[in-house]
Amino acid sequence: QSVLTQPPSVSGAPGQRVTISCTGSSSNIGAGYDVHWYQQLPGTGPKLLIYANTNRPSGVPDRFSGSKSGTSASLAITGLQAEDEADYYCQSFDSSLSGYWVFGGGTKLTVL
Amino acid sequence: EVQLVESGGGLVQPGGSLRLSCAASGFTFSGYEMIWVRQAPGKGLEWVSWLSGSGSTIYYADSVKGRFTISRDNAKNSLYLQMNSLRAEDTAVYYCARVLVERYFDSWGQGTLVTVSS
Repeated sequence: QSVLTQPPSVSGAPGQRVTISCTGSSSNIGAGYDVHWYQQLPGTGPKLLIYANTNRPSGVPDRFSGSKSGTSASLAITGLQAEDEADYYCQSFDSSLSGYWVFGGGTKLTVL
Repeated sequence: EVQLVESGGGLVQPGGSLRLSCAASGFTFSGYEMIWVRQAPGKGLEWVSWLSGSGSTIYYADSVKGRFTISRDNAKNSLYLQMNSLRAEDTAVYYCARVLVERYFDSWGQGTLVTVSS
């Protein structure tokens, strides 16, 4: 069971907007630690998508955006494209004894 | 361009050992914290072990503490993970990643598969 909670799957048609939630607790997201998002295409390693809640690395389209509020964060993808079909993971830091770097369980995005 | 290339994975029997390597290039290796993250088949991501740029500070996940040892050779731009007393539940793709001070991972390798089975 992952420390951060994500929906197992989301789906949307090309051109639509989807959001993926990431829910934590008072020892991680709620403690003020930033949330980061990774995209993992089939058969490849993860790729940084959003860092520090809202920031996109160079090369990431502005169709991807992130937000954070309280003990939760969200990743939004607008103008869905077929190549967005992938697994998405949120990640933060946890100050509890067994914490440190924590991930969500991952969300499979299907483009219909 | 930052590049991380893992190697050393393979099939090993329960109780056996394996040493993973991660060759880094395209950046000043000694200036960055590094981490090993693993992904069991069909599962999510789990951090395994982290160490500071100098190698003087190390953390392990509870699941591997006492069995795995992380190290680095800054002269060779390489990161290592010595895995002993391997268990079936250690079966996973192991990734090395560069850690930024804001506690996220901006570059990842392609991963190396470790399979623990008799």
